[in-house]
Amino acid sequence: DVKVTQSSRYLVKRTGEKVFLECVQDMDHENMFWYRQDPGLGLRLIYFSYDVKMKEKGDIPEGYSVSREKKERFSLILESASTNQTSMYLCASSRDSPGYTFGSGTRLTVV
Amino acid sequence: RKEVEQDPGPFNVPEGATVAFNCTYSNSASQSFFWYRQDCRKEPKLLMSVYSSGNEDGRFTAQLNRASQYISLLIRDSKLSDSATYLCVVPPSGSARQLTFGSGTQLTVLP
Repeated sequence: DVKVTQSSRYLVKRTGEKVFLECVQDMDHENMFWYRQDPGLGLRLIYFSYDVKMKEKGDIPEGYSVSREKKERFSLILESASTNQTSMYLCASSRDSPGYTFGSGTRLTVV
Repeated sequence: RKEVEQDPGPFNVPEGATVAFNCTYSNSASQSFFWYRQDCRKEPKLLMSVYSSGNEDGRFTAQLNRASQYISLLIRDSKLSDSATYLCVVPPSGSARQLTFGSGTQLTVLP
């Protein structure tokens, strides 16, 4: 089975901190995605990548950046964390087919 | 109009009941559609794909109505283990690599 691993399950950070969320997949998938999930708003796409060193903005990229230096790793960076970035963050990967495999999520709280 | 809209529910049904959820989409060019299932505090997982008129897998049937731009998910003989949030998913603009998720329909199957 494809495995997508997110480095932390729960994270608490202070306002203004730089936050790194790491995601690693082990099945050589080209496509990787970062979503955030909030009650009543569903999953919203932050950034995605179809190849190493490639990145595209999703629907809500403001306040975030990403890095994909290696095919298996896709990092989400909160440059200066704010309380409105408190959320569940989900990483996903896929080959050139539509089925995503999600990581188990990181619940980030910014205080 | 949102790209993907779902009735959030909650749907509370007794065991053994048949329940159906609808999902409307705005992009008439979309060719493929998906239902994901998300258990409480877990990541979403692919339940069914819908590429043409419909798809059936055991107690689950997904149907597509292109003229009215909606897809439906029918669950027959509901089990307690079917309790979850069901997410309707549509690739925007014909691309199958990045997915737009509905905000989900919550189902609780009662004993």
